[in-house]
Amino acid sequence: DAGITQSPRHKVTETGTPVTLRCHQTENHRYMYWYRQDPGHGLRLIHYSYGVKDTDKGEVSDGYSVSRSKTEDFLLTLESATSSQTSVYFCAISEPTDSGYTFGSGTRLTVV
Amino acid sequence: AQSVTQLDSQVPVFEEAPVELRCNYSSSVSVYLFWYVQYPNQGLQLLLKYLSGSTLVESINGFEAEFNKSQTSFHLRKPSVHISDTAEYFCAVSGPSGAQKLVFGQGTRLTINP
Repeated sequence: DAGITQSPRHKVTETGTPVTLRCHQTENHRYMYWYRQDPGHGLRLIHYSYGVKDTDKGEVSDGYSVSRSKTEDFLLTLESATSSQTSVYFCAISEPTDSGYTFGSGTRLTVV
Repeated sequence: AQSVTQLDSQVPVFEEAPVELRCNYSSSVSVYLFWYVQYPNQGLQLLLKYLSGSTLVESINGFEAEFNKSQTSFHLRKPSVHISDTAEYFCAVSGPSGAQKLVFGQGTRLTINP
């Protein structure tokens, strides 16, 4: 995807362990988002950022934290992973215009 | 707050048949409306969007959607589908400014049968 990469692409982790997912962009876009995708729920917003060190909660933020120390990087952390956090996580970027989002390829996280 | 309802979770159609994927939204403010497509094991790609002006918007691959304010709908249509259109389609809504937090519908899986 143009200018946005997520890492890792796949991860299996154990319940109770911390996990950090990374989103990196080369587009210098102001806004970055983390969504999770689950069957029957579409995509739900976890957290978003409107600038360096400026973040806010989304619809399903419990159990997640984020950090943005640089324009290009937006990290999503699961402090203590639970099985309910098994999901596909998507990062997205946008400018404060009407252009819509550009999505990363996703991270498939399995918590066992 | 905005919300989106996609009325069909799955839509099976035959190749070259017409298709309509339905989307209704709820919002107390003016909105931007989007359709995204997700091919298997990929991220989402923007298909088309309505911001203002003409209520009929088109994509480069033959899809179109019509914004109907009175019915709060933004249905997606294509007059003749191809096998390559097999994907999941998401309708989304955002407010007109700021962080443009998109609210997504639950998705509609379009399956094209030969």
